[in-house]
Amino acid sequence: ILNVEQSPQSLHVQEGDSTNFTCSFPSSNFYALHWYRWETAKSPEALFVMTLNGDEKKKGRISATLNTKEGYSYLYIKGSQPEDSATYLCALNNAGNMLTFGGGTRLMVKP
Amino acid sequence: DAGVIQSPRHEVTEMGQEVTLRCKPISGHDYLFWYRQTMMRGLELLIYFNNNVPIDDSGMPEDRFSAKMPNASFSTLKIQPSEPRDSAVYFCASRTGVNQPQHFGDGTRLSIL
Repeated sequence: ILNVEQSPQSLHVQEGDSTNFTCSFPSSNFYALHWYRWETAKSPEALFVMTLNGDEKKKGRISATLNTKEGYSYLYIKGSQPEDSATYLCALNNAGNMLTFGGGTRLMVKP
Repeated sequence: DAGVIQSPRHEVTEMGQEVTLRCKPISGHDYLFWYRQTMMRGLELLIYFNNNVPIDDSGMPEDRFSAKMPNASFSTLKIQPSEPRDSAVYFCASRTGVNQPQHFGDGTRLSIL
């Protein structure tokens, strides 16, 4: 069983704050690290797929970095907005096809 | 383009009944995944298919669960007989290549009374 850990479990921030959270994973047999955004009552939506050590990806105010040697990825949100409130999931692909999901970080942005 | 389509969106049934969940993946996607989401265990993979062939069903909880993919555009997940502990949201997802993101359906919220 793979250990994909996310921290913190939940986070409350004020509108306009920047924030970040962590995904840690075993670094052996690494294929890819996925980030998903999951709004309540909807389905997970893909943000990034990262494959190379040192990868940095950006989509609007959201960005992510990857360190495969030490087994972690950071997700950053700049200038949080209420519509950013969601659960952010990371998932490790270390066997080519299957994803192992972390428990998620639940972000709540207060207006 | 239509995304992954699941039906029904909600299902409420009594324990012991057979339940069938359906999924239509995105056209051209050759991988299909079935997940179950619960408060206790989060999002867990039940089974996945590649080119309609089941590849890994190690996540299927027990023999009451079965999944089929008769063609590239349709898959079913069946629970027979259903039990209250099967109550969860079941998601289907599909993708193309190995390092492509998975696209999820809206899920089926299943309640077994």
